[in-house]
Amino acid sequence: DTAVSQTPKYLVTQMGNDKSIKCEQNLGHDTMYWYKQDSKKFLKIMFSYNNKELIINETVPNRFSPKSPDKAHLNLHINSLELGDSAVYFCASSQEVVRRGYEQYFGPGTRLTVT
Amino acid sequence: AQTVTQSQPEMSVQEAETVTLSCTYDTSESDYYLFWYKQPPSRQMILVIRQEAYKQQNATENRFSVNFQKAAKSFSLKISDSQLGDAAMYFCAYSSFNDYKLSFGAGTTVTVRA
Repeated sequence: DTAVSQTPKYLVTQMGNDKSIKCEQNLGHDTMYWYKQDSKKFLKIMFSYNNKELIINETVPNRFSPKSPDKAHLNLHINSLELGDSAVYFCASSQEVVRRGYEQYFGPGTRLTVT
Repeated sequence: AQTVTQSQPEMSVQEAETVTLSCTYDTSESDYYLFWYKQPPSRQMILVIRQEAYKQQNATENRFSVNFQKAAKSFSLKISDSQLGDAAMYFCAYSSFNDYKLSFGAGTTVTVRA
């Protein structure tokens, strides 16, 4: 069984469109994240939800809106897509373990290409 | 914000040999967590090893071990008996004690020569 899944894995769309990426985890974790990996492979946190509450919101354009309907799901909606949004988007989840921190498990990534 | 630096963009190792990847970080905190993640060409991010800052003993997971030097803020990864399947990009990551997010280094691409 896949622990953290994302759909779709590949997404090609045109500038100006609106698209969503879905993420689901079956690990029973209470915290979920979205990371962006750019063309140079640099990974950066975008958002994090803990028990459906937004706890991290890095400097991300407000065209990006995360939504967490429940603890197992965290979706990312992107409005008015731009060329610079092309990247790989990773979903991750974690559960705090005392003295082990927030060990995060990642989904397979969604490669978004904006043309 | 914490900064994680991986100074080696690329490393190459002969199969069955050992390679060491370097990572340094900048923090004013005394309690935190450090991780190494592997990203093969499939792009899946895989947790390789974890170190808690309060532990002096270096973490080990099979052929992977770390050299954690807290005073020097250094966290290197050693891959012993390298295998072709170890070829990947390796990311060092930092998480503070009360913070959820991971701060990643720029990554090191490891090539394994047969």
